[in-house]
Amino acid sequence: QELLQESGPGLVKPSETLSLTCTVSRYSISRGYYWGWIRQPPGKGLEWIGSIYHSGSTYYNPSLESRVTMSVDTSNNQFSLNLRSVTVADTAVYYCARDPGTVTRNDWFDPWGQGTLVTVSS
Amino acid sequence: QSALTQPASVSGSPGQSITISCTGTSSDVGGYNYVSWYQLHPGKAPKLIIYDVSNRPSGVSNRFSGSKSGNTASLTISGLQAEDEADYYCSSYSSTSTVVFGGGAKLTVL
Repeated sequence: QELLQESGPGLVKPSETLSLTCTVSRYSISRGYYWGWIRQPPGKGLEWIGSIYHSGSTYYNPSLESRVTMSVDTSNNQFSLNLRSVTVADTAVYYCARDPGTVTRNDWFDPWGQGTLVTVSS
Repeated sequence: QSALTQPASVSGSPGQSITISCTGTSSDVGGYNYVSWYQLHPGKAPKLIIYDVSNRPSGVSNRFSGSKSGNTASLTISGLQAEDEADYYCSSYSSTSTVVFGGGAKLTVL
């Protein structure tokens, strides 16, 4: 099965941009599927950030859409998340995951990465 | 505040069965058969245990089962084991073409 691993800075300053990359192993992103980002603030529940199709089509949570950009880098078998103008409320564990939908999204995720904690603080 | 409502905590003894509820609206849980459940152990990757209301992925124990009635979905774990102690989250497709999650339920095995 595919392996997913998140990477990026663990500390971001308020008003700056949070940038994370998810590297996929044992599967070529260009072959298909959707790829998603989900986050979990400390002590809180999960929140879907958005999903991106292997071709680059994106689907974002309306609550974050104005600040989010997702992209796919098939040459490096990675997909990325940029979240602009962050505040302390964006402090969370960020997970990347596969949505195995082939034509339309399945809107369930399997497998997931282990997650990476991003803290927003000056 | 999460879109879907779950009990904050549930508990049971080894061997018992427990059920975790997940209540939404007709715009999410009640309107589509796209409810999924995830198991989260601290420090580990979340694990899908149920998708599309009642389907189990390959490799997931048949002690886990899912169902739905109206706007409420349920996850039942039978033959409770110590390793089942974890946080459980439900998720659903929403009419706004988004994915919504519950607030999570912490399962304690007594």
